[in-house]
Amino acid sequence: GEDVEQSLFLSVREGDSSVINCTYTDSSSTYLYWYKQEPGAGLQLLTYIFSNMDMKQDQRLTVLLNKKDKHLSLRIADTQTGDSAIYFCAESPRANNLFFGTGTRLTVIP
Amino acid sequence: ETGVTQSPTHLIKTRGQQVTLRCSSQSGHNTVSWYQQALGQGPQFIFQYYREEENGRGNFPPRFSGLQFPNYSSELNVNALELDDSALYLCASSLGGGSSYEQYFGPGTRLTVT
Repeated sequence: GEDVEQSLFLSVREGDSSVINCTYTDSSSTYLYWYKQEPGAGLQLLTYIFSNMDMKQDQRLTVLLNKKDKHLSLRIADTQTGDSAIYFCAESPRANNLFFGTGTRLTVIP
Repeated sequence: ETGVTQSPTHLIKTRGQQVTLRCSSQSGHNTVSWYQQALGQGPQFIFQYYREEENGRGNFPPRFSGLQFPNYSSELNVNALELDDSALYLCASSLGGGSSYEQYFGPGTRLTVT
């Protein structure tokens, strides 16, 4: 079955890089995603990576995928206070549904 | 282009009652997925509707049901509410049913069951 695991908390200083890690279990997942959720809000799609890629960069965001170890990471460069939120990793073994981790709460210290 | 909208924003119901939540998909999208997010957890997939037909279902009992309308908006109905149904209900819209890979979420409806 699908299982996505993330560490619960991460604190970084403003201006530093943040790295949020995720492990997943279903090797058939075609796409892997990162979503951001701010307090009281829905989920914002940040980025996603196709399973045959190792890396994807999008402005301050870099996604690294190690398919052998089923490990996904999200690096946020020059982290700002506005980046404080919960970040969810999700896998998609079947394109019609997403399986989410429990989320990592990122706190940015000014 | 309008984003995904949901109504109502908040709702309080009593155990045993029934509730209907509504979702309008993003302009141009024909697929709506519903998720339940309990406090402190990640969202869990309830079901997906594509062109007015159910297109996949998660591990939720039959008292969770849905509809999709010709304009691709959708409803989630929950009968015989239980205390554990208290959660944030999120809908997400996308294009293309089973081939869609970008799901865009609405702000959610917070349901409290007392």
